[in-house]
Amino acid sequence: DAMVIQNPRYQVTQFGKPVTLSCSQTLNHNVMYWYQQKSSQAPKLLFHYYDKDFNNEADTPDNFQSRRPNTSFCFLDIRSPGLGDAAMYLCATSKGTGGPNEKLFFGSGTQLSVL
Amino acid sequence: AQKITQTQPGMFVQEKEAVTLDCTYDTSDPSYGLFWYKQPSSGEMIFLIYQGSYDQQNATEGRYSLNFQKARKSANLVISASQLGDSAMYFCAMSLSSARQLTFGSGTQLTVLP
Repeated sequence: DAMVIQNPRYQVTQFGKPVTLSCSQTLNHNVMYWYQQKSSQAPKLLFHYYDKDFNNEADTPDNFQSRRPNTSFCFLDIRSPGLGDAAMYLCATSKGTGGPNEKLFFGSGTQLSVL
Repeated sequence: AQKITQTQPGMFVQEKEAVTLDCTYDTSDPSYGLFWYKQPSSGEMIFLIYQGSYDQQNATEGRYSLNFQKARKSANLVISASQLGDSAMYFCAMSLSSARQLTFGSGTQLTVLP
């Protein structure tokens, strides 16, 4: 089945140690998103790629970076994780046809713990 | 700027009963979309239902229906015949034609009681 896949499901890192989360999709969608969701809170958009065009949210910390080497894969890099970066990270995709009816398809998320 | 408000942090419903989850929104954009997603404890966000701002009829998808009241800027989710598997966090979200992103509300934790 076509889907959005996130690996790993759980990731533990140390304070200040760089970590990379990965997302892949078989939907051939143009847009890929990264959301951060802290416990009992709404998901918050960090950035998204429309094809190769990177779009950063104004309040996303510089500590967060992203790479999209091809249509299928997108990575979230956290350069120096702090305790406050512990969260669920959700990857999502959409077709990119535009319009308010564009549905997002989500992966299962990666739960990041920072020790 | 757009805003989504879910005023019910938690709701309980008896199995087989109907439940309404509230959502209000605020935007000055005339073209927008409203979504409901379900997030079980496993973490994935599951799309449930969509309503467009210009849609004349309320959206329905199986046991899910959306009570869209445009003048009141509300988009409540109605789940009929609740099942134990409906226990999850439910998020209301909005998209605008002018921006490629979803803005989420704070969510409602629904618990279905046997």
